[in-house]
Amino acid sequence: DTEVTQTPKHLVMGMTNKKSLKCEQHMGHRAMYWYKQKAKKPPELMFVYSYEKLSINESVPSRFSPECPNSSLLNLHLHALQPEDSALYLCASSLLPYGAQETQYFGPGTRLLVL
Amino acid sequence: AQSVTQPDIHITVSEGASLELRCNYSYGATPYLFWYVQSPGQGLQLLLKYFSGDTLVQGIKGFEAEFKRSQSSFNLRKPSVHWSDAAEYFCAVGPVNAGNMLTFGGGTRLMVKP
Repeated sequence: DTEVTQTPKHLVMGMTNKKSLKCEQHMGHRAMYWYKQKAKKPPELMFVYSYEKLSINESVPSRFSPECPNSSLLNLHLHALQPEDSALYLCASSLLPYGAQETQYFGPGTRLLVL
Repeated sequence: AQSVTQPDIHITVSEGASLELRCNYSYGATPYLFWYVQSPGQGLQLLLKYFSGDTLVQGIKGFEAEFKRSQSSFNLRKPSVHWSDAAEYFCAVGPVNAGNMLTFGGGTRLMVKP
């Protein structure tokens, strides 16, 4: 099973709302990732969690707050977003966080629209 | 720094025709190379990957890719395209000795004519 699940599939929120995106995998992977993808662009890395600890934050604004409660679950908390944050948010996981030959498996994404 | 270039933004082929999508990378050593496919509004699905060994790798859905070190290329091919292959294709490179960060190319959108 190489499945990464994400909920919700679609999310519409106002600029004052607080919402959360959820990502789950049951493959025993110890690295999880959040990417942001704008239309017609490749995914851009936002955060990397290794063994449930934040290891990389690609200078993401603080209105995005990641959380990794356990090795299977990754959340992205959203607060006071801007319309330009509207995008497809992709979660991925890999068996090990570093090096070599660790393939990232992607979820289907959450399509976010900020009004 | 590593980088990936996909020279073709759009490609249109007829159903049943052969396909080649180009990917060139820049990296100081032999990288790990991937091809992903993304259908509209969907996540990325891994088609194939190259780490070492045989430079011709087979993937899912009848795709293959060939690593050519001398040309810094990792082109994706399929002998006969199906209408369901219409999608966005991303080539990506991963570092060998650092954190597991993928660098993606800009993508190639494939359209298939009936």
